[in-house]
Amino acid sequence: GQNIDQPTEMTATEGAIVQINCTYQTSGFNGLFWYQQHAGEAPTFLSYNVLDGLEEKGRFSSFLSRSKGYSYLLLKELQMKDSASYLCAVSNDYKLSFGAGTTVTVRA
Amino acid sequence: SQTIHQWPATLVQPVGSPLSLECTVEGTSNPNLYWYRQAAGRGLQLLFYSVGIGQISSEVPQNLSASRPQDRQFILSSKKLLLSDSGFYLCASKPPMNTEAFFGQGTRLTVV
Repeated sequence: GQNIDQPTEMTATEGAIVQINCTYQTSGFNGLFWYQQHAGEAPTFLSYNVLDGLEEKGRFSSFLSRSKGYSYLLLKELQMKDSASYLCAVSNDYKLSFGAGTTVTVRA
Repeated sequence: SQTIHQWPATLVQPVGSPLSLECTVEGTSNPNLYWYRQAAGRGLQLLFYSVGIGQISSEVPQNLSASRPQDRQFILSSKKLLLSDSGFYLCASKPPMNTEAFFGQGTRLTVV
């Protein structure tokens, strides 16, 4: 089975940096994804890691350590529109399983 | 890129009535297809996934079923809805290689 854990909520100030951690225990591993979901909307893809290391895409970066079963999503220069839920997802053996999501609130 | 068509956007159904939600995919062939349910303020619960026509894997025992009659068509059904079936239902499509999954816009189902 899969066990994917991430914090429930985080709050940060506009312009700051926030790091959302995700730990996972899965039988098999084909990659780790991060999605953003605004309330009432479908998730949208942010990043994908299959090898260890850091992937940078603009203000968003994602890190993976397969040996530790650990990933983080780093959001820099926070903007009010970044207030959303951030979902960590693990792909293994055709399944794509999600964590419960981290709600990030950006304050002015 | 892929386009996922999912309808209807909202649905209100009485307890005990049947359900059929359809998802169709454009822009890819032989995708892995998924049905998720999301309760208010919660994460995505994987209900079913399919790696090919007629191949359905169920993740959670429940009164829902899924079918894949065509390569790019995925259907979620129920013979008799329960109050607990209320939620936000999302269809997702992922190419066989390891790239991201694309989501439909979701169906908000309220069972009354």
